[in-house]
Amino acid sequence: DAGVIQSPRHEVTEMGQEVTLRCKPISGHDYLFWYRQTMMRGLELLIYFNNNVPIDDSGMPEDRFSAKMPNASFSTLKIQPSEPRDSAVYFCASSKQGGYGYTFGSGTRLTVV
Amino acid sequence: GESVGLHLPTLSVQEGDNSIINCAYSNSASDYFIWYKQESGKGPQFIIDIRSNMDKRQGQRVTVLLNKTVKHLSLQIAATQPGDSAVYFCAETVENAGNMLTFGGGTRLMVKP
Repeated sequence: DAGVIQSPRHEVTEMGQEVTLRCKPISGHDYLFWYRQTMMRGLELLIYFNNNVPIDDSGMPEDRFSAKMPNASFSTLKIQPSEPRDSAVYFCASSKQGGYGYTFGSGTRLTVV
Repeated sequence: GESVGLHLPTLSVQEGDNSIINCAYSNSASDYFIWYKQESGKGPQFIIDIRSNMDKRQGQRVTVLLNKTVKHLSLQIAATQPGDSAVYFCAETVENAGNMLTFGGGTRLMVKP
């Protein structure tokens, strides 16, 4: 298994632009999570899905952030419009029912200038 | 996720010595715990896990100890190597209650050659 695959690895964009981050979870995993990591706040859970359905999005900072999971093998996190304070590393993780095999992707480093 | 400030606790050890990294968890209902290792520029990687029906679990060069009475978790690394240098996170969850992990603040391990 190739693990959790995220793209792009790095993204530099100008303030106000739309940014889309992508994630392919491990096949057979029922849960998908989006995290944001910064020096100041550490790892923050933004949103998670179970069987493609969003379960808890209370961590999403504001309406500029949205996430979708159209099928079991793909999810997107979109920021529109982006702001400099959104600069962070965004991780996707997936797991099976019961917490087994909770695995992170390599992350997308987002820089908004 | 939990917050971590600019100043992560740091443990500095000599190569070949044993390392002990500690973590206090917050939820007395948590019954599944995971240690992650995060190297620079990478996502957190699973090291070892333990369930609340155990107080000790051993892997290759790593041992996790769980003390539910005081809500304390520790990771022991035997014969620490330069490749062990990373940030280590503990995470807790209540299995079958949403699969959400709550992360500790992290400890930076530095191995001196």
